Amino acid sequence: NAGVTQTPKFQVLKTGQSMTLQCAQDMNHEYMSWYRQDPGMGLRLIHYSVGAGITDQGEVPNGYNVSRSTTEDFPLRLLSAAPSQTSVYFCASWTGARNEQFFGPGTRLTVL
Amino acid sequence: AQSVTQLDSQVPVFEEAPVELRCNYSSSVSVYLFWYVQYPNQGLQLLLKYLSGSTLVKGINGFEAEFNKSQTSFHLRKPSVHISDTAEYFCAVGENNAGNMLTFGGGTRLMVKP
Repeated sequence: NAGVTQTPKFQVLKTGQSMTLQCAQDMNHEYMSWYRQDPGMGLRLIHYSVGAGITDQGEVPNGYNVSRSTTEDFPLRLLSAAPSQTSVYFCASWTGARNEQFFGPGTRLTVL
Repeated sequence: AQSVTQLDSQVPVFEEAPVELRCNYSSSVSVYLFWYVQYPNQGLQLLLKYLSGSTLVKGINGFEAEFNKSQTSFHLRKPSVHISDTAEYFCAVGENNAGNMLTFGGGTRLMVKP
């Protein structure tokens, strides 16, 4: 199993550009989520999904969109990047039976 | 709503000394508690978790944590640290009626010095 994979590892955008951060898991987990990590603030939940076709907002959803068309994939879209979205983004997946979230390696995003 | 406070942003300690990283939480319902470790430029790895039962939980790499319901704490301890334990540590709480969504503390950077 590859676990949770994220691409790209690094990305630099200009203000106003759009992009999609990719996340995939091969563990057949029903739950997936996106977090952003900023210094001193831990991880904050952006969006999450409890199954294919079902998504909901987390703590800091503004400026981000998600969709979940398959169990495996959970992409995060930035429609118009802003410098405030400079951060490290982590995707996670888990199954309710184990109560343990598995994290991807992260994407470091810089918006100029 | 739940919240997590990690009282120390940085903890410097000498190699082979004991260490305690503090975590307090607030929640109105039953919780699950977790400690994750993040090594430089890597993702988060689970150290240990409390779901129910014994309040003393043992994890990987010699770490343990004790759940104290009356003090709403879940402090992480290790009796003797190594240089390789230098990392950032995150405490997280999940509510069992919220799909196990996690709320994270701000993190504690453990710096082990030779």
